[in-house]
Amino acid sequence: QKEVEQDPGPLSVPEGAIVSLNCTYSNSAFQYFMWYRQYSRKGPELLMYTYSSGNKEDGRFTAQVDKSSKYISLFIRDSQPSDSATYLCAMSAKGIRIGTSYGKLTFGQGTILTVHP
Amino acid sequence: ETGVTQSPTHLIKTRGQQVTLRCSSQSGHNTVSWYQQALGQGPQFIFQYYREEENGRGNFPPRFSGLQFPNYSSELNVNALELDDSALYLCASSLGARQDTQYFGPGTRLTVL
Repeated sequence: QKEVEQDPGPLSVPEGAIVSLNCTYSNSAFQYFMWYRQYSRKGPELLMYTYSSGNKEDGRFTAQVDKSSKYISLFIRDSQPSDSATYLCAMSAKGIRIGTSYGKLTFGQGTILTVHP
Repeated sequence: ETGVTQSPTHLIKTRGQQVTLRCSSQSGHNTVSWYQQALGQGPQFIFQYYREEENGRGNFPPRFSGLQFPNYSSELNVNALELDDSALYLCASSLGARQDTQYFGPGTRLTVL
């Protein structure tokens, strides 16, 4: 079983739709939760970051973390064709000392999203 | 743009050869992490360098090695290339312990024939 599971999709929605992306995880030590967006042939771009449980909103994007269920979500409101990309969830544990999982991001497989006009 | 640069953009090698990939960190960042991203997969952590020392390693064999230089730029070296090493290699720079702000470069696409 992978530490982080993400539905690869693909997901196709009309412009203006609300998009829901999610990941589940098994490692209870994860405390930092991130969403990255990756356009074709580009490196991942950090979209949202959340520490521990709770919600965080940034413009059209809302990230939710439910540590009790080991489940995180990203919502995109009023989706645009420019949002078409692969969305990656990533997580890390807080390092205790040098040489542990300090600084290591564990990614999901990525969900391919297409927003059509 | 993140300010993280990688070279070369693309590379084609044959099995058994050796390759060196390079990364220049964002200004002021002292930590570099390397990831391997196979087609259709999420990035997999290779290792991290903090102030020129290896600070954590993923499940990659010793033929994957790295260096970080005093100016915090970094190299990833892969010896005895295998077909399965074909992937996008990404480096990410960050300022010390900031897990939330790893900035990725555009990657180097390596093809092993």
